[in-house]
Amino acid sequence: GAGVSQSPRYKVAKRGQDVALRCDPISGHVSLFWYQQALGQGPEFLTYFQNEAQLDKSGLPSDRFFAERPEGSVSTLKIQRTQQEDSAVYLCASSLAGTRHGELFFGEGSRLTVL
Amino acid sequence: GNSVTQMEGPVTLSEEAFLTINCTYTATGYPSLFWYVQYPGEGLQLLLKATKADDKGSNKGFEATYRKETTSFHLEKGSVQVSDSAVYFCALTSGNQFYFGTGTSLTVIP
Repeated sequence: GAGVSQSPRYKVAKRGQDVALRCDPISGHVSLFWYQQALGQGPEFLTYFQNEAQLDKSGLPSDRFFAERPEGSVSTLKIQRTQQEDSAVYLCASSLAGTRHGELFFGEGSRLTVL
Repeated sequence: GNSVTQMEGPVTLSEEAFLTINCTYTATGYPSLFWYVQYPGEGLQLLLKATKADDKGSNKGFEATYRKETTSFHLEKGSVQVSDSAVYFCALTSGNQFYFGTGTSLTVIP
């Protein structure tokens, strides 16, 4: 498809399990972002890639969160030893260039529920 | 720091009513300002943007003006339609990050 694709759309994990969320950005988009959106809140920044380089990971809430984009295209957000407070929608967005004037194109998100 | 504060919802309006959703911001430097919209079951999508003071962004009958003196970027539409029912997010960029407000849910009833 032409848009940002995320999988799985829904994930239920038991506390302590590891999860991996995938993002397939729009072809040719240099920049890729991960956001976390809790219920009733706006998206909160997690991390940013330019091509394969992770330029900013200041939003990752703990060292249990890890993101990669090894070939500068598909990205994976991994959460180890999930906790209940990790329950949220994880949004991926891509853009052709940076953020200064550019438009972010969002996927529909991956909803994670940790029991 | 950088932050966005927007009017809390939910907002319910009748069709053809006038809409205002307030948004104010705090930012270092000269941010760009955005309104994103999330229709039911869909991802966020850009509604309009303004990149410098006094710029007016507009799209689909919605407008917002970048007011540096009041640090505001209020969203307006003169006559809402049922199809405008969605959640609206005000946002700014600083560096590599977008900062989003908490969202305002709008329901338009026929």
